[in-house]
Amino acid sequence: EPEVTQTPSHQVTQMGQEVILRCVPISNHLYFYWYRQILGQKVEFLVSFYNNEISEKSEIFDDQFSVERPDGSNFTLKIRSTKLEDSAMYFCASSVRGAVYEQYFGPGTRLTVT
Amino acid sequence: GQQVMQIPQYQHVQEGEDFTTYCNSSTTLSNIQWYKQRPGGHPVFLIQLVKSGEVKKQKRLTFQFGEAKKNSSLHITATQTTDVGTYFCAALLLTGGGNKLTFGTGTQLKVEL
Repeated sequence: EPEVTQTPSHQVTQMGQEVILRCVPISNHLYFYWYRQILGQKVEFLVSFYNNEISEKSEIFDDQFSVERPDGSNFTLKIRSTKLEDSAMYFCASSVRGAVYEQYFGPGTRLTVT
Repeated sequence: GQQVMQIPQYQHVQEGEDFTTYCNSSTTLSNIQWYKQRPGGHPVFLIQLVKSGEVKKQKRLTFQFGEAKKNSSLHITATQTTDVGTYFCAALLLTGGGNKLTFGTGTQLKVEL
């Protein structure tokens, strides 16, 4: 069964550093998403992406965040200058069409900012 | 921002007992999805409800969407240890955009033998 993959599984970085989290969505999916989940809390929407542009973003997704689809397969989330409070699990997801369709989540990247 | 609340936050049951989690929104929902997240895992889609009053079943799981499309429930009959995890509802809000899923606060289920 096709699945969403994410790398790395765990990233440790120092405050102020830039990080790039990578995702490979399912190949025939057109919509891509990033979510974050602080330990023990709910899943929070960050951004949705379609046709090479941001479809929607949340209040969390400020100027420090950016997304890109640099080629036909990868979908990346960049955090320019990490803060301690960015420490969380970041999930990538994809769906065939929009969010009214089932979303397939990747295994996540645990980001630890020290 | 708009919130989707779930109760209870935690539930411990004995294996074989039933379990229900409730999802509530102050605003009308376009649709609602349910996801299960095993400990240390990622959310996995269970089902989607779209119509007012809709009821769907998956083996021991029964999902309902309220008549006013502001609430939903997930009921598990005769829980098993494999049901352990956190159950999230996730909604498309009618007042929101079409591509933003708002997750509920989740109900963590523990099943004891």
